[in-house]
Amino acid sequence: DQQVKQNSPSLSVQEGRISILNCDYTNSMFDYFLWYKKYPAEGPTFLISISSIKDKNEDGRFTVFLNKSAKHLSLHIVPSQPGDSAVYFCAATPGNYGQNFVFGPGTRLSVLP
Amino acid sequence: DGGITQSPKYLFRKEGQNVTLSCEQNLNHDAMYWYRQDPGQGLRLIYYSQIVNDFQKGDIAEGYSVSREKKESFPLTVTSAQKNPTAFYLCASSTSQGADSPLHFGNGTRLTVT
Repeated sequence: DQQVKQNSPSLSVQEGRISILNCDYTNSMFDYFLWYKKYPAEGPTFLISISSIKDKNEDGRFTVFLNKSAKHLSLHIVPSQPGDSAVYFCAATPGNYGQNFVFGPGTRLSVLP
Repeated sequence: DGGITQSPKYLFRKEGQNVTLSCEQNLNHDAMYWYRQDPGQGLRLIYYSQIVNDFQKGDIAEGYSVSREKKESFPLTVTSAQKNPTAFYLCASSTSQGADSPLHFGNGTRLTVT
C-alpha cells in the first residue's frame, strides 16, 4: 500500500501558466515533506521542502502548500517554463534522521512552448 | 565540485551473477543510501548507512548487500538471490542532521540482467 501517492502520472501545461502538482499521503506520522525534480538519465535534485508546522513555503517560482488535515500537499510552479519539464517526486518522512524518506511514484510535467 | 559519483552508468549481467555498483561521495556526508526505481513506482529504499561500519536494511533489502568501510564509499552488491534485479539504482547521501537534510543523489546506474 503506497503511503505517498501522486495520482496524476502526467501533466501538460502551457509555458507561462501555472503548474500544480499534487501529492497525498496516508501516514499521519509524516511531518516533513520534500519535492524532487528528475531529468531523464539523471538523479533527482532537491527542489523545495516544508515542515508540518507550516502550511506554505516559497522559493522563487516554486511554492509548496501543505494541508495536514487533508493529508495533502501541492507544488505550484509560476510561471512554468520549458526547462521545468521533468518528473517531480513528492517525498515524506516522519522527521527523525531522514533515512525514512518515502517517495511517491512521480508526475511527469511537460511545459509546452 | 562536490557530488556523488555512481559507476558505471549502464551495466549488463547474466542471470546468476553477482554484480557490484559503485557509489562515491566527496560531500563529507555521514549518511548514504541506496534506492531502486522501477517504472511507475517511487524510489524504494534498499539499504542505508548513517555512519562508517554500520548500515541498516531498508524496505526491499532482500537479495542485496552493502558495506561501509569508508565514509566516502557505499557499494551495493546485487546478488543472484535478487529475483528481479533489472532496475535503475540511485545512490544518495545526506548530512544526517535531521529530516530537513535533503538527499543528494548520484546520476544512477541502470542494471540489466538477462
